[in-house]
Amino acid sequence: DGGITQSPKYLFRKEGQNVTLSCEQNLNHDAMYWYRQDPGQGLRLIYYSQIVNDFQKGDIAEGYSVSREKKESFPLTVTSAQKNPTAFYLCASSQGQKGEKLFFGSGTQLSVL
Amino acid sequence: SQQGEEDPQALSIQEGENATMNCSYKTSINNLQWYRQNSGRGLVHLILIRSNEREKHSGRLRVTLDTSKKSSSLLITASRAADTASYFCATDASGSQGNLIFGKGTKLSVKP
Repeated sequence: DGGITQSPKYLFRKEGQNVTLSCEQNLNHDAMYWYRQDPGQGLRLIYYSQIVNDFQKGDIAEGYSVSREKKESFPLTVTSAQKNPTAFYLCASSQGQKGEKLFFGSGTQLSVL
Repeated sequence: SQQGEEDPQALSIQEGENATMNCSYKTSINNLQWYRQNSGRGLVHLILIRSNEREKHSGRLRVTLDTSKKSSSLLITASRAADTASYFCATDASGSQGNLIFGKGTKLSVKP
């Protein structure tokens, strides 16, 4: 089955710890995105990548880092600099670079211990 | 920065009724998309309407776009309990290089 897979589904972070969220797609899509969703809010863009080895900051990139070493993978690291990391994180991908018709993973809920 | 804003924030209807959700945005766009999200899940793309289109249909969905008013509406006809979800509009501002901006969503509840 083609799709986009996020793991883990739930993640807990201790204070001062970096954690990495995984996102893998086998749709052969060029572009990948990370969004953060807080309760009752819309999605806010953290980072996006339109091509391998290149990525751009979104609206709320501070405290996060990404890499795009392979076309199918776009991991997100939540660093200790992100002081309010509790949220639902969504990864998405799209064919081409125009942000049309995004396919989303099922999300990772990150909580702070 | 929030571009699209949905209205109403929440909507509760009976099965079989029609549901209408609205989205307003601020700047010129290339296209506007509607997505659906079931609780605790990822979003699913429903429909895309381009800036030069005024209306588009997909099954029980009807989307309109009025670029002069910077607004769009999503109509779900003959709603079903399975339509219960949050619905988001997303805009691709002109020159944004594919950076979508999502609204806060309309939470639709369809009661059987």
